[in-house]
Amino acid sequence: AQSVAQPEDQVNVAEGNPLTVKCTYSVSGNPYLFWYVQYPNRGLQFLLKYITGDNLVKGSYGFEAEFNKSQTSFHLKKPSALVSDSALYFCAVSPDRGSTLGRLYFGRGTQLTVWP
Amino acid sequence: EAQVTQNPRYLITVTGKKLTVTCSQNMNHEYMSWYRQDPGLGLRQIYYSMNVEVTDKGDVPEGYKVSRKEKRNFPLILESPSPNQTSLYFCASSLGGLFTDTQYFGPGTRLTVL
Repeated sequence: AQSVAQPEDQVNVAEGNPLTVKCTYSVSGNPYLFWYVQYPNRGLQFLLKYITGDNLVKGSYGFEAEFNKSQTSFHLKKPSALVSDSALYFCAVSPDRGSTLGRLYFGRGTQLTVWP
Repeated sequence: EAQVTQNPRYLITVTGKKLTVTCSQNMNHEYMSWYRQDPGLGLRQIYYSMNVEVTDKGDVPEGYKVSRKEKRNFPLILESPSPNQTSLYFCASSLGGLFTDTQYFGPGTRLTVL
């Protein structure tokens, strides 16, 4: 069965410090991995994706994520957090099998709070 | 302006009264999808469509119907709503598949079924 786990419901970090939001996955075949962010009153937005190639993926707003196949992880990172990064973050995975193209499995979300 | 629109944005209804939530995109996107968001459960895919007349079930299709008769519209139909369908619903679209193109989300529809 395909699944995504975000082990932390909440992550708190001080502004200027590095942040990590964790994500692990279970999927048949090669995974396609995504991060989305939900800002208060601004809806859901795409942040970044891993399809193939370099394990370190860079996305919007200075975020990056590292794909680790052996640990089946895709953690979201940012070197220096901003208060404006406070939001709900979702990891998602899509299996690469032809019969399930278009399917997307989300984690439960991690609420990131950055303290000034 | 390129966007995904949903209507209505808020709806309170009663059990069993059929309703439709509309979703429309003006970007000529092929892929469209519906999700529901519930506290503690994150987002779950209801149905998706790879193109006109092509729809497939997601995680939680029970109690929902969709149709894709034209590229721009992807309505979500609740034939007989029940209280467990109280949720925040999002429609999304992308130009091609998930892998090649960014998925854009609508503003959400908050549905309450009494």
